[in-house]
Amino acid sequence: DAGITQSPRHKVTETGTPVTLRCHQTENHRYMYWYRQDPGHGLRLIHYSYGVKDTDKGEVSDGYSVSRSKTEDFLLTLESATSSQTSVYFCAISAGTGNLRTEAFFGQGTRLTVV
Amino acid sequence: GESVGLHLPTLSVQEGDNSIINCAYSNSASDYFIWYKQESGKGPQFIIDIRSNMDKRQGQRVTVLLNKTVKHLSLQIAATQPGDSAVYFCAEAGMDTGRRALTFGSGTRLQVQP
Repeated sequence: DAGITQSPRHKVTETGTPVTLRCHQTENHRYMYWYRQDPGHGLRLIHYSYGVKDTDKGEVSDGYSVSRSKTEDFLLTLESATSSQTSVYFCAISAGTGNLRTEAFFGQGTRLTVV
Repeated sequence: GESVGLHLPTLSVQEGDNSIINCAYSNSASDYFIWYKQESGKGPQFIIDIRSNMDKRQGQRVTVLLNKTVKHLSLQIAATQPGDSAVYFCAEAGMDTGRRALTFGSGTRLQVQP
């Protein structure tokens, strides 16, 4: 899986609690992404990072925040989890220079259930 | 691993036949396209990519065709094998300033009958 580790792999949490998912890479890639995958929606971008401390929103960013203090780690935080955030979350990384787009490599995913 | 039970269009083929999976995209500014394969319990896995200055690219047993006029992408798998059974996604990236994030289609499930 291209040196990507997601933790935890499974989590059950209660509505209203904060949750943090971690993505760790060993590839030294500049770009990191968080996607969620839901039935009927495929993969949708939550947030992404283009460098340390450089992040931006994706199409479904409401209710989520991210941080990237080191090249290798990208954290996704649900400030107050809701049932609509029950999903499978995937982290991805990609290299690329200038305007050259390159493929993204994905982690194994985290199944999050909010009860 | 993780998987998602998706209600997807399904393509069922016999082992040894060729498979064609189609994808329509809407962003005329997209200039980079990828096909991913997702097996049950795993994250998407890169298969092949193509840039907008090409209309065809071949890999090992796979070919991607790009028709920019009608915004259509297809993945052809030759001599389909049971191990090809998975969900296939197309993804695109647009001509924006360095975002490099992919937009995914909703996927097609390929079932290979032995």
